[in-house]
Amino acid sequence: DQQVKQNSPSLSVQEGRISILNCDYTNSMFDYFLWYKKYPAEGPTFLISISSIKDKNEDGRFTVFLNKSAKHLSLHIVPSQPGDSAVYFCAASRTAGGSYIPTFGRGTSLIVHP
Amino acid sequence: EPEVTQTPSHQVTQMGQEVILRCVPISNHLYFYWYRQILGQKVEFLVSFYNNEISEKSEIFDDQFSVERPDGSNFTLKIRSTKLEDSAMYFCASSWDRIATNEKLFFGSGTQLSVL
Repeated sequence: DQQVKQNSPSLSVQEGRISILNCDYTNSMFDYFLWYKKYPAEGPTFLISISSIKDKNEDGRFTVFLNKSAKHLSLHIVPSQPGDSAVYFCAASRTAGGSYIPTFGRGTSLIVHP
Repeated sequence: EPEVTQTPSHQVTQMGQEVILRCVPISNHLYFYWYRQILGQKVEFLVSFYNNEISEKSEIFDDQFSVERPDGSNFTLKIRSTKLEDSAMYFCASSWDRIATNEKLFFGSGTQLSVL
């Protein structure tokens, strides 16, 4: 039962270009979405989040877009840097009237080439 | 910045043995969680803990699993009789409040459990 799907296991991008990581979800009751970044031998660290009342949230080089009708969100990194190379996890939560526990995808490994 | 600490970083055990994975959550956090990730698969929720009791658990968290907060700082996950399929990276996490807008989980660096 994959309620949160990250269908691309890996993505390779040139430094300076845009990285777009995609995430789809099946549960329409999810109303809060988070992106985490994970380096090897470290735990996931919070990157950016978005509430379902918004369709965009921006933090520096990172922007998350939410398309509720398509049950799709994406993380844009512009410009991409070699230090962005990591595994990116999408997570979704139902904060209102249900389990608030975030459900995670399996991650997308981003490699940014110099 | 405060962090969640997990020990050990690696644990190798024989099938059928008991293991205890240890975590020290961020000190003023009230909600505690265990997740795991089997290699190549998604990060799976196991259990959440609040006010000294389990608040939610997944179907993975069967009678072989237990959690405890024995001394107000440590948060442990015990697997009574390990199986090969328990081999995974186990992540502890904590949060100050239930996950809602502007709240987030803070993760430890994980314990890689290998069951032989």
